[in-house]
Amino acid sequence: NAGVTQTPKFRILKIGQSMTLQCTQDMNHNYMYWYRQDPGMGLKLIYYSVGAGITDKGEVPNGYNVSRSTTEDFPLRLELAAPSQTSVYFCASIRTRQETQYFGPGTRLLVL
Amino acid sequence: AQTVTQSQPEMSVQEAETVTLSCTYDTSESNYYLFWYKQPPSRQMILVIRQEAYKQQNATENRFSVNFQKAAKSFSLKISDSQLGDTAMYFCAFMRGNDMRFGAGTRLTVKP
Repeated sequence: NAGVTQTPKFRILKIGQSMTLQCTQDMNHNYMYWYRQDPGMGLKLIYYSVGAGITDKGEVPNGYNVSRSTTEDFPLRLELAAPSQTSVYFCASIRTRQETQYFGPGTRLLVL
Repeated sequence: AQTVTQSQPEMSVQEAETVTLSCTYDTSESNYYLFWYKQPPSRQMILVIRQEAYKQQNATENRFSVNFQKAAKSFSLKISDSQLGDTAMYFCAFMRGNDMRFGAGTRLTVKP
């Protein structure tokens, strides 16, 4: 099993551009999460999904969109990139809420 | 909303000695989970230890143990026999349902 994979590892965007951060897990986990980590800070929850077709907002959802068409994939979309979205983005998954989250390696995004 | 506070931005310890990292949290819930995550320079989030709030016994994992004081809403991490590889950022986290909150982290340096 590859676990949780994220692409790309690093990306530079210009203000106003859009992009999709990819997240895939091969563990058949129901729950998937997107977090952002700003420099020197802990992670903050952006969006989460409890299963295919079901998504919900976390603590900091503004400026982002998600979809969950399959169990494996949970892409995060930035429509109009802003400098405030410069951060490291982590995807995570778990099979049930009683278990521990598996984290991907992160995507570093720089918006200039 | 739940909040997690780590009051020690930085700490250092001599190799082979013991160090304790502090964490307090605020919640009105009675059932939840608490975690300590380690983040080395690679940025990978690595689970160190996990505690279920309904369990009175403190969790241990080899050299890592916690002091869970539910009434005081305190969840400290003790690292015994510190090793150079323990140098990292350490994050305390609280989870209730799909709501996961992280503290701002403590940077731990283990000195030879």
